[in-house]
Amino acid sequence: GQNIDQPTEMTATEGAIVQINCTYQTSGFNGLFWYQQHAGEAPTFLSYNVLDGLEEKGRFSSFLSRSKGYSYLLLKELQMKDSASYLCAVRDNQAGTALIFGKGTTLSVSS
Amino acid sequence: DGGITQSPKYLFRKEGQNVTLSCEQNLNHDAMYWYRQDPGQGLRLIYYSQIVNDFQKGDIAEGYSVSREKKESFPLTVTSAQKNPTAFYLCASLPGLGYGYTFGSGTRLTVV
Repeated sequence: GQNIDQPTEMTATEGAIVQINCTYQTSGFNGLFWYQQHAGEAPTFLSYNVLDGLEEKGRFSSFLSRSKGYSYLLLKELQMKDSASYLCAVRDNQAGTALIFGKGTTLSVSS
Repeated sequence: DGGITQSPKYLFRKEGQNVTLSCEQNLNHDAMYWYRQDPGQGLRLIYYSQIVNDFQKGDIAEGYSVSREKKESFPLTVTSAQKNPTAFYLCASLPGLGYGYTFGSGTRLTVV
C-alpha cells in the first residue's frame, strides 16, 4: 500500500521562504508531484521529480530523496497569492499511471 | 483551446437518486481519472482509465461506476449505494508519464 504524510498547516510572512515536507512509503515508486490548490478550485501542477536532487522553477523548487522516501517543496519570496493548499502526490507502479495524493498542507501567508 | 470540461459546476440531488457527472477532454490524452475531495482528506482515487474500453478501480470505487466508450469522455455515475456522496469531484487526464495531470474545474455535488 501507499502512505503519504505532510504537515496539515503552515504559516509564513510575505517575502519569507517556506519549506513544505512530504514523506512517502510506496512499493513501486515512479515519480513525485507537487500541486497547488486554491480554495474551491482545481489543483495546478507545480513540479515533478523522478530522480534524486533539486528541480528549480522560478520561486518554487522541489527536492527528492528516493532512499529516504522524502521530498520538499521550497517557496521563496512568498507572496499573499501563495496562500493555498500544497498537495504532494506519488505515482506507484501498482496503481498504473494514477497518482496517490497526500492530504495537503494549507499555507497561510500574512503581511 | 484544449482542456477538460466538467459539467455542471454545482449539482444538487436528492438522496437515493443516481447522478452522472460529465468529463470531456479534447487533449487527445489516453489516460483519464476521477478523484473525490472532502475537507481535510486530500484527493482520493475513485476510478481510472488508461485506454478506451478499459478502466480500473481506485481506492474508493464502491458506490460509483464509470464508462469509457470514447477517448474524449469518461463519465462518473454516483449511485444510491454511495453512502456519503456529497463532495467535490475532480476529473483529470494525463499527457504522458513525465507530465502532471491536467484537471477539470470540478463538480461540487450536494445530496440532500
